[in-house]
Amino acid sequence: GPKVLQIPSHQIIDMGQMVTLNCDPVSNHLYFYWYKQILGQQMEFLVNFYNGKVMEKSKLFKDQFSVERPDGSYFTLKIQPTALEDSAVYFCASSLEGWSAETLYFGSGTRLTVL
Amino acid sequence: SQLAEENLWALSVHEGESVTVNCSYKTSITALQWYRQKSGEGPAQLILIRSNEREKRNGRLRATLDTSSQSSSLSITATRCEDTAVYFCATDVGNYAQGLTFGLGTRVSVFP
Repeated sequence: GPKVLQIPSHQIIDMGQMVTLNCDPVSNHLYFYWYKQILGQQMEFLVNFYNGKVMEKSKLFKDQFSVERPDGSYFTLKIQPTALEDSAVYFCASSLEGWSAETLYFGSGTRLTVL
Repeated sequence: SQLAEENLWALSVHEGESVTVNCSYKTSITALQWYRQKSGEGPAQLILIRSNEREKRNGRLRATLDTSSQSSSLSITATRCEDTAVYFCATDVGNYAQGLTFGLGTRVSVFP
């Protein structure tokens, strides 16, 4: 089936540093998402991105977070500066359309550890 | 409180047996989706069942939806060791841009 690739699979950084998580969504998909999953907790929506804009974001999407997809390249999540509570697995997802009953295709996640 | 949640943390079965995971949700929905997440992987959709459907099948999987009780079940027949995973139900929140709301998941372990 369609694949979403996430790079890197693991990232360890010191608190206060900047980190960029990369996602290569399914090629013809138009809607892109980031989700955050802390160990043992449910996966939570961060942000939805379409046509170069943030469509919706949750309260977890702090001011230190930003997303972009310049010129159809990677869809990125940047955190600057990072905090200890940002340690989690971040999943990227994409969908063809943005309807609420749409199938999301997820990557394998990037495990971020902030020391 | 969660908008979607599975009713049990974990289930264990032996290969060949059937297993059922249950889920309840709190809001009106357009559809409910079941996802499976294996260790080290992202979630993968198994079944999408719309609010006007009562049952949906996909091979060894069968999902039911009861909108009056706001609950759903996912049954797996003839389980295999590779069915070992965390199973999530996920619902939309009526806002197309927010994607899905996931439950905590039920860990299903299938033993030989």
